[in-house]
Amino acid sequence: NAGVMQNPRHLVRRRGQEARLRCSPMKGHSHVYWYRQLPEEGLKFMVYLQKENIIDESGMPKERFSAEFPKEGPSILRIQQVVRGDSAAYFCASSPGQGWGTEAFFGQGTRLTVV
Amino acid sequence: QKEVEQNSGPLSVPEGAIASLNCTYSDRGSQSFFWYRQYSGKSPELIMSIYSNGDKEDGRFTAQLNKASQYVSLLIRDSQPSDSATYLCAAILTGGGNKLTFGTGTQLKVEL
Repeated sequence: NAGVMQNPRHLVRRRGQEARLRCSPMKGHSHVYWYRQLPEEGLKFMVYLQKENIIDESGMPKERFSAEFPKEGPSILRIQQVVRGDSAAYFCASSPGQGWGTEAFFGQGTRLTVV
Repeated sequence: QKEVEQNSGPLSVPEGAIASLNCTYSDRGSQSFFWYRQYSGKSPELIMSIYSNGDKEDGRFTAQLNKASQYVSLLIRDSQPSDSATYLCAAILTGGGNKLTFGTGTQLKVEL
């Protein structure tokens, strides 16, 4: 049973390009979180999704960032017109449900570098 | 007030000692709490979950929960250099749409 899979592991983009980060949850998991982490800093919540539904996007910047989790396929975090400040590690975690007792497991992360 | 709060450390303990990591949370209605370990450059790894008041033991790790004081702790017995990492406390906050919210983490250093 594969764990949470993220790809690519490393992504380099020039300023102004688009970055697409993918997250395939563990088998049987229907909920996905996305977090951003800068070096030597904590995990910053971005968005919480269920298949075909955004539960909470309070941590997403209003512009350039979007996320989806379609009925089929991985969850996608999309960053348009990237800037140097978007350089960070982006982690996704999946869980089987919502609320009490639901443990979340992380993927290996995508390290985004904007040059 | 931060929703989940931890002392950033670093916390230094000698090899073989007990390391005690602490966390407080703001949402009194929260029911689910977790400890993750994160090595430098790696992703967080779930090491303990706790839902009821009291202690929960798993090997060298003991999680403690006190809902009245809104306090969660993690004890690591017989600390080893390989335990040196950042420990992240997390909670599912009922007042926050049931999303998993993290503290900023405590850096633990186990010294030889």
